[in-house]
Amino acid sequence: EVQLVESGGGLVQPGGSLRLSCAASGFTFSTYWMTWVRQAPGKGLEWVASIKEDGSKKFYVDSVKGRFTISRDNAKNSLYLQMNSLRADDTALYYCGSDIFGGPLGWGQGTQVTVSS
Amino acid sequence: DVVMTQSPLSLPVTLGQPASISCRSSQSLVHSDGSTYLSWFQQRPGQSPRRLVYKVSNRDSGVPVRFSGSGSGTDFTLKISRVEAEDVGVYYCLQGTHWPKTFGQGTKVEIK
Repeated sequence: EVQLVESGGGLVQPGGSLRLSCAASGFTFSTYWMTWVRQAPGKGLEWVASIKEDGSKKFYVDSVKGRFTISRDNAKNSLYLQMNSLRADDTALYYCGSDIFGGPLGWGQGTQVTVSS
Repeated sequence: DVVMTQSPLSLPVTLGQPASISCRSSQSLVHSDGSTYLSWFQQRPGQSPRRLVYKVSNRDSGVPVRFSGSGSGTDFTLKISRVEAEDVGVYYCLQGTHWPKTFGQGTKVEIK
């Protein structure tokens, strides 16, 4: 069974940093693109970033470019999102997802990030 | 960026009746590899999203047959043949052909 467990969220001041993690199990992690998607309170889904199976390609939504970095450790079956220079509009529930055929099939339960002073 | 426009944004339906959600993209979703990467997701209240359909019309494992996807190019549809109570939630389309990937605004399905 595919399992994705996000962690690392919390309350942070504007301008601060957080590192999200996603622990994967139940599938061959190293053969999947992986994705972060976020959902602001009461809002829709927003694709944030994706990373290729071997980490050689990374893509970001414009609003996080230069501030967020997606990475992975295939030996640890883990996905990460380093978030710097956080802003209030980054407040959201962050999901990790395993991609196949253009979109996330498996999803975690999400980790809450709140940016507030 | 590709803009995904869903309609309607709110869809009250009667149990047992059909429902249809439209998703239109601002440019063609046909990839250079020939595939069209258009997916549909369901998000029930308080739950994580769940993918229902990938590449326009392929149902994911475990998805009831009452859900079907269709369309081509820039115009896509998700149909529920007979709505059940468990289908209440918000439905999103996602284009995975062009970077950045983009979701539609979501369509809230509720029971009349």
